[in-house]
Parts: sequence; C-alpha cells; structure tokens
Amino acid sequence: GAGVSQSPSNKVTEKGKDVELRCDPISGHTALYWYRQSLGQGLEFLIYFQGNSAPDKSGLPSDRFSAERTGGSVSTLTIQRTQQEDSAVYLCASSLLAATYNEQFFGPGTRLTVL
Amino acid sequence: RKEVEQDPGPFNVPEGATVAFNCTYSNSASQSFFWYRQDCRKEPKLLMSVYSSGNEDGRFTAQLNRASQYISLLIRDSKLSDSATYLCVVNRGGGSYIPTFGRGTSLIVHP
Repeated sequence: GAGVSQSPSNKVTEKGKDVELRCDPISGHTALYWYRQSLGQGLEFLIYFQGNSAPDKSGLPSDRFSAERTGGSVSTLTIQRTQQEDSAVYLCASSLLAATYNEQFFGPGTRLTVL
Repeated sequence: RKEVEQDPGPFNVPEGATVAFNCTYSNSASQSFFWYRQDCRKEPKLLMSVYSSGNEDGRFTAQLNRASQYISLLIRDSKLSDSATYLCVVNRGGGSYIPTFGRGTSLIVHP
C-alpha cells in the first residue's frame, strides 16, 4: 500500500516569505507527527496529532510555526516569515495508533532552503 | 544531560565484524524504546523495538538496562549494507507517545 507522502520534496524560498508543507499519512493511521532535521542533527519534534484530540504543540520553536490536520488525514505545516535558520528537512510520520510500542512510518521529507 | 545521548561515531568496521552501540536516556519514566536506521538523505525506518526482555532479529540484538538507563544494539557479521546512521529513540513516558530521537551513531562497514 501507499506510504506516507510529502510535498513538495524541495522548497526554496526567500527570507520573510510564508511556506506550506503537506503530509499525506498512511490511510487509517490516527497519529501524525512533524519533525525537522538540520544537517548533522537529530530529529527535532515539532507537533503531534492524535485522532480528534487537541494537538501537542510543545515542540514548535516559535509562533511562526503552525500546523493543522483536516479530517483526521492530511496535515499542513505552515511557517510564516521564514528565517534562514528554518532551513532543514521537515519530516512527517504517521502511526496506526498512539501506543507504547507503535512503529512510526516516515515520509521522504521536504527539504526547505531559506535564502 | 541530554535526554537521549549517543556516540556519533563514525564506527568504521570491516565486513564480518561485530559492533555495538549504546544509548543513554535521562527520563526514568520512559517506557518504550526503539532503534531506527537512517540511510544518507533518506527517512528513518524502524529497525527494531527494544523490550525489557531484550530482543533479537537475525544479526541484530537489542538490550534494555532500566537501572542504568541505557539501551544497546549489537550487530553481528556486519555487511556493507549495514552502513547507515542508527538512531536511538525513547518515548517521553508518563502517558506521552512523543519520542525523543538521539542524534544517531554512524556506522561504516568496509570491505
């Protein structure tokens, strides 16, 4: 079956512009995570959606970052007024349930470059 | 102390060697542990979960030591295809399913 997909695969933008990154999770997966990974760094948790519960936004680095998940499926991560330090690979992952041992399936990521 | 710490390596080993990685975590409430593998410029993929009793999958063995708060990954008979970065992942615990990722340990297996 189809895995997690993300679009665009690459995005180059100018400092100060807004960007939207899209994630299509695996069908039926109730949990969805956003991360970012800078060069040579580990994955940094950004936000977590579980079913119809309020999202856990504790990892968002500033109020320029927001995300939503419509209909319990597709998610969009929005970065407003982008800064050069926002340059990173943004990864989305989904899992069937939120449970103690639940495999996360990652999308291929969106490589964001802010000039 | 970082939440999840790993030796970044790289570990440079010949084919057929046995190599082991450790990962320490700071949150004693953590309840679930994983090793993910990430190839260069690719997304992470689950290698194996780490249970209290330890688990083995072919050439890979994972162990959990709750008292000392570390997990380990042992790779026997290394293959060239094992070259990758190995990410230690620990859930926050306390009912949270949000994982914390280590920065990863780089493994290079050479002929």
